[in-house]
Amino acid sequence: AQSVTQLGSHVSVSEGALVLLRCNYSSSVPPYLFWYVQYPNQGLQLLLKYTTGATLVKGINGFEAEFKKSETSFHLTKPSAHMSDAAEYFCAVSTRGNNRLAFGKGNQVVVIP
Amino acid sequence: ETGVTQTPRHLVMGMTNKKSLKCEQHLGHNAMYWYKQSAKKPLELMFVYNFKEQTENNSVPSRFSPECPNSSHLFLHLHTLQPEDSALYLCASSQETGPNSPLHFGNGTRLTVT
Repeated sequence: AQSVTQLGSHVSVSEGALVLLRCNYSSSVPPYLFWYVQYPNQGLQLLLKYTTGATLVKGINGFEAEFKKSETSFHLTKPSAHMSDAAEYFCAVSTRGNNRLAFGKGNQVVVIP
Repeated sequence: ETGVTQTPRHLVMGMTNKKSLKCEQHLGHNAMYWYKQSAKKPLELMFVYNFKEQTENNSVPSRFSPECPNSSHLFLHLHTLQPEDSALYLCASSQETGPNSPLHFGNGTRLTVT
């Protein structure tokens, strides 16, 4: 079965600094990979996804992620954190060619002024 | 209204009560989902409906009973719940069930079982 590991439930980053959220997955077949963001009192919103093709994927709000098969990773980055980036971020994987996703536990991002 | 709407936003119920959660999507999607979000745990897929037919039940206890009368509406009927069922219940929809069809989530119902 597929699974996702996100280390560090809480991540603090200074405003203007690099945001880096790590995601590692386990899968015996080529995965489809996703990052979702959840703002307070809201549902999840898709940030970006990788299905096939280019391994560097750009998403909304300046985020991007790179699929590295050799490392089984799909880390999320943003060059410069903004206060509005404070939210919870979830990595998810599907290995069955559908959108039945296995989610990680999430990273709560706090942006320090 | 647009997107996926869930009602109520908050619900407190005793273990002997019967209540229902409602989800409505205005996106013209064909698939709808129930997820459970508990603190410090990954989101858990509960049920999947595609074209009103249930295609997945992820070993959910029978005290949770879904209903999908049409592709735009999804209900979750609750009865004799346990305190550990307290969580945020999220509804989602998608155009179809392939990986290129992203999930659109509602804002959830925060359920507290006393």
